[in-house]
Amino acid sequence: AQRVTQPEKLLSVFKGAPVELKCNYSYSGSPELFWYVQYSRQRLQLLLRHISRESIKGFTADLNKGETSFHLKKPFAQEEDSAMYYCALRSGAGSYQLTFGKGTKLSVIP
Amino acid sequence: KAGVTQTPRYLIKTRGQQVTLSCSPISGHRSVSWYQQTPGQGLQFLFEYFSETQRNKGNFPGRFSGRQFSNSRSEMNVSTLELGDSALYLCASSLAGTGGGYTFGSGTRLTVV
Repeated sequence: AQRVTQPEKLLSVFKGAPVELKCNYSYSGSPELFWYVQYSRQRLQLLLRHISRESIKGFTADLNKGETSFHLKKPFAQEEDSAMYYCALRSGAGSYQLTFGKGTKLSVIP
Repeated sequence: KAGVTQTPRYLIKTRGQQVTLSCSPISGHRSVSWYQQTPGQGLQFLFEYFSETQRNKGNFPGRFSGRQFSNSRSEMNVSTLELGDSALYLCASSLAGTGGGYTFGSGTRLTVV
């Protein structure tokens, strides 16, 4: 069975400081990894997916299969980055479900 | 275009009752998934439907069921409600259920008393 672990429930950083939200997964195959974000009073929304290798709102994430990690990074945190971040895994073709981590609340201190 | 619409937004039910939640996906999206969100367990997958067929089911008891109609709208039903069923129920839609790029609704907050 697959599992997604986000070790930090809460992460506080100062504005302008680098941010790294950790995500580790356990799955024996080749998963697809995603980051979802939920801003205050808003819906859960897709931030980025590893297959796109894109940068959204300054955030990037690299899939490290050796370390089974998919950490989310941003070089300079902004106050508007404060939100709940969820890492999610899809176990590949033939699977239509996401397995979510429990989330990390990012608080950016002005 | 309109987003994923879930109704009702809030619901209070008594133990033993049953409840039906509704989800209207984004126009053109044929895959609808349901998730339960609780403070303790986080987001947990319930089931996914595509073209009126259930393709995936999560590890929930048979009291939780769902269906999808020909217009892709979906309903989930919970029978014999228990206190532990109190949660935020989220619906998500996508074109085909692949790719993981799901669009979520605002959810239905169910409270069982």
